[in-house]
Amino acid sequence: DQQVKQNSPSLSVQEGRISILNCDYTNSMFDYFLWYKKYPAEGPTFLISISSIKDKNEDGRFTVFLNKSAKHLSLHIVPSQPGDSAVYFCAARDYNQGGKLIFGQGTELSVKP
Amino acid sequence: DSGVTQTPKHLITATGQRVTLRCSPRSGDLSVYWYQQSLDQGLQFLIQYYNGEERAKGNILERFSAQQFPDLHSELNLSSLELGDSALYFCASNNGGQGLNEQFFGPGTRLTVL
Repeated sequence: DQQVKQNSPSLSVQEGRISILNCDYTNSMFDYFLWYKKYPAEGPTFLISISSIKDKNEDGRFTVFLNKSAKHLSLHIVPSQPGDSAVYFCAARDYNQGGKLIFGQGTELSVKP
Repeated sequence: DSGVTQTPKHLITATGQRVTLRCSPRSGDLSVYWYQQSLDQGLQFLIQYYNGEERAKGNILERFSAQQFPDLHSELNLSSLELGDSALYFCASNNGGQGLNEQFFGPGTRLTVL
């Protein structure tokens, strides 16, 4: 039962353009959503989060949008840079279950110069 | 550097063996989480400890166990190892309190079972 899904395993974008990474979820009890970035041979690094009571959160080049009715969130990176090339994981938290995170399968972003 | 340390970085062992993975959380963090990442998979939650007590359990096999010690470091024990246990094992920590506090991940331990 995959509660958090990232349906695109990979995405390729030109430097300077927008990258849009998508994530869908099924559990209405999730209270926070987070995006993590992961480089090879490293642990995931927290990028940005959004509370379930909001629909947008922005931090520099990164913006996360939440559409609760569609149970969908997306991460926008503008402008994309080659250093953004990594695997991006969407995660959701159900505080009633001790705060554990449920992760999607990840999307590998490649930003080409 | 997240402040979370994990040892060893790599571990190669044989089927049927037992291994122990170690995690030291960030200074001040009370909660430790263990995750498994198999090939082409997302991170799967295994177990959480908060201040020495088990708080939540995921799809952790009975052959696996964990504990958190008084100094808050944690160990994940994997026994009767099978080929399918080969994976990256990540530890994460946070203060475990209310409100959002993101989890900070260690660099992981890569386990290879031959």
